Amino acid sequence: NAGVMQNPRHLVRRRGQEARLRCSPMKGHSHVYWYRQLPEEGLKFMVYLQKENIIDESGMPKERFSAEFPKEGPSILRIQQVVRGDSAAYFCASSPRNTGELFFGEGSRLTVL
Amino acid sequence: KNQVEQSPQSLIILEGKNCTLQCNYTVSPFSNLRWYKQDTGRGPVSLTIMTFSENTKSNGRYTATLDADTKQSSLHITASQLSDSASYICVVSSDNYGQNFVFGPGTRLSVLP
Repeated sequence: NAGVMQNPRHLVRRRGQEARLRCSPMKGHSHVYWYRQLPEEGLKFMVYLQKENIIDESGMPKERFSAEFPKEGPSILRIQQVVRGDSAAYFCASSPRNTGELFFGEGSRLTVL
Repeated sequence: KNQVEQSPQSLIILEGKNCTLQCNYTVSPFSNLRWYKQDTGRGPVSLTIMTFSENTKSNGRYTATLDADTKQSSLHITASQLSDSASYICVVSSDNYGQNFVFGPGTRLSVLP
């Protein structure tokens, strides 16, 4: 029973490039959350998705960031035209229902040069 | 503004010793408080969850307390082990929806032999 799988674990991009982070939730989980963690700061909510639907994207910047959770395949967090301030650890969590019972992945660490 | 503060920022103790980590919050209304353990380079893992009516909850060598009146919680670790070295994150929410979790910055604990 695999846990939440995130890839890549580490990603290096130059300013202006695109970053794609993938998250496969635990089997049977249809709710996915993305959080961002900056050094010395707490995790910050970005977006909450269910299969084929964005439920709440209030924590995600309007520009350059997008997320999807297609019917088939992993959830994807996409950052276009990355800037140095996007450097952070991005965590995905999944839940069988929106009950707050979250299971986190190992995170994807994005470094923008 | 909903906030979660934790102290100390970091802590070093010797193996076998006890320690207590503190969490203060201003989240309102209050529904529940969680403690997570996050190993370096890994995702957070849930330790305990406490609701408004609970004063204490244990999970092995971890004991969490909650004072909803003063809006404080503590996490006590007994007979520390090297594997306890990690960041401990306090998370407060006004409901059970993952998008509304307020994460503290964490306390980084180092247990030395």
